[in-house]
Amino acid sequence: AQTVTQSQPEMSVQEAETVTLSCTYDTSESDYYLFWYKQPPSRQMILVIRQEAYKQQNATENRFSVNFQKAAKSFSLKISDSQLGDAAMYFCASLLISNFGNEKLTFGTGTRLTIIP
Amino acid sequence: EAGVVQSPRYKIIEKKQPVAFWCNPISGHNTLYWYRQNLGQGPELLIRYENEEAVDDSQLPKDRFSAERLKGVDSTLKIQPAELGDSAVYLCASSFGDSLKVYEQYFGPGTRLTVT
Repeated sequence: AQTVTQSQPEMSVQEAETVTLSCTYDTSESDYYLFWYKQPPSRQMILVIRQEAYKQQNATENRFSVNFQKAAKSFSLKISDSQLGDAAMYFCASLLISNFGNEKLTFGTGTRLTIIP
Repeated sequence: EAGVVQSPRYKIIEKKQPVAFWCNPISGHNTLYWYRQNLGQGPELLIRYENEEAVDDSQLPKDRFSAERLKGVDSTLKIQPAELGDSAVYLCASSFGDSLKVYEQYFGPGTRLTVT
């Protein structure tokens, strides 16, 4: 079984500033993926960034980067130069790998990010 | 490239009535997922298809929920009869296994169901 915990129900940040969203997970497996998804009011889940557990290097996608601490089972998301369009719910998720192909995503409860103009 | 298409976007029904949701995945995606997202929560998997086969339906309440994926493309999720607790957003997602994107799921806009 796997669990994903997001301890910050809401966060806010001034436009152009940097914000970090926290996520911890619990799994006994050694092979897994971690994701951050963004869900704006339109409800469509959009993949922001992914991290393979076997990679030590932290993933980066433009203004988005992660701090992956495997031993601590921590996976935080840093958003630099925050923009108004970044306002949304952010979900952390983990995916276990199986011999049969894709497995299900397990999501956290989300963090609502507000951008202050 | 067209994304995952779902319909309807919104549905309001009275309890005990049936309801169906439709999903058209991204062309070529062999894996299809149905998730339920309760208010203030993350999505939870209901069922996963590999082509036409339901390979994980352990979280699907089989007494009232059913799903099908004919010909391994479109899928329909049905609830009969609906209960008040079924009010939620129902999300469909799809993925394709290749060396680059094997674990990336693409989501549709969801159907918001309200049961009164």
